[in-house]
Amino acid sequence: NAGVTQTPKFQVLKTGQSMTLQCAQDMNHEYMSWYRQDPGMGLRLIHYSVGAGITDQGEVPNGYNVSRSTTEDFPLRLLSAAPSQTSVYFCASRKRNEQFFGPGTRLTVL
Amino acid sequence: DAKTTQPTSMDCAEGRAANLPCNHSTISGNEYVYWYRQIHSQGPQYIIHGLKNNETNEMASLIITEDRKSSTLILPHATLRDTAVYYCIVRLPYGGSQGNLIFGKGTKLSVKP
Repeated sequence: NAGVTQTPKFQVLKTGQSMTLQCAQDMNHEYMSWYRQDPGMGLRLIHYSVGAGITDQGEVPNGYNVSRSTTEDFPLRLLSAAPSQTSVYFCASRKRNEQFFGPGTRLTVL
Repeated sequence: DAKTTQPTSMDCAEGRAANLPCNHSTISGNEYVYWYRQIHSQGPQYIIHGLKNNETNEMASLIITEDRKSSTLILPHATLRDTAVYYCIVRLPYGGSQGNLIFGKGTKLSVKP
């Protein structure tokens, strides 16, 4: 199993640009989520999904959209990037009591 | 979810046991204690979880006090590769939004030679 994969690893955007962070898992997990981590901080939940076709907001959803058309994929869309969205983004999937995290995407918005 | 309190940082000598405390005085009866760690810049990694009994796996042991208001994660023989930020999280067991993990700032453990 590849586990949870994220692309790209690094991205630089200009203010106002849009982009999609990709997340995929091959473990057939129903639950997936997106977090962001700012320097010196713990992870904060952006959006999550409990299954295909079902998504909900987490703690910091503003400026982000998600969709879940398949069990495997859970992309995160930045609609109009802002410097405040400069962060490291982690995707995760969960099986029972254990969450598996991807390697992260480092995003810089200029 | 119950809030947790952890020390900001701790040091441990290589080969010694690392004992990481966590206070969760407002924990409810059906909430579990989970531990994750994050090694520099990587995604967090699950370590262990428990409800009220002590738990042990290949990575660590979890000791929960009888009143469940605090717990200790024990790494029995710390190595340099155990240097990481350790997060103690209290939440209801898996299921919908109740499965969301709420991260605090954790404890930065530095294992020194």
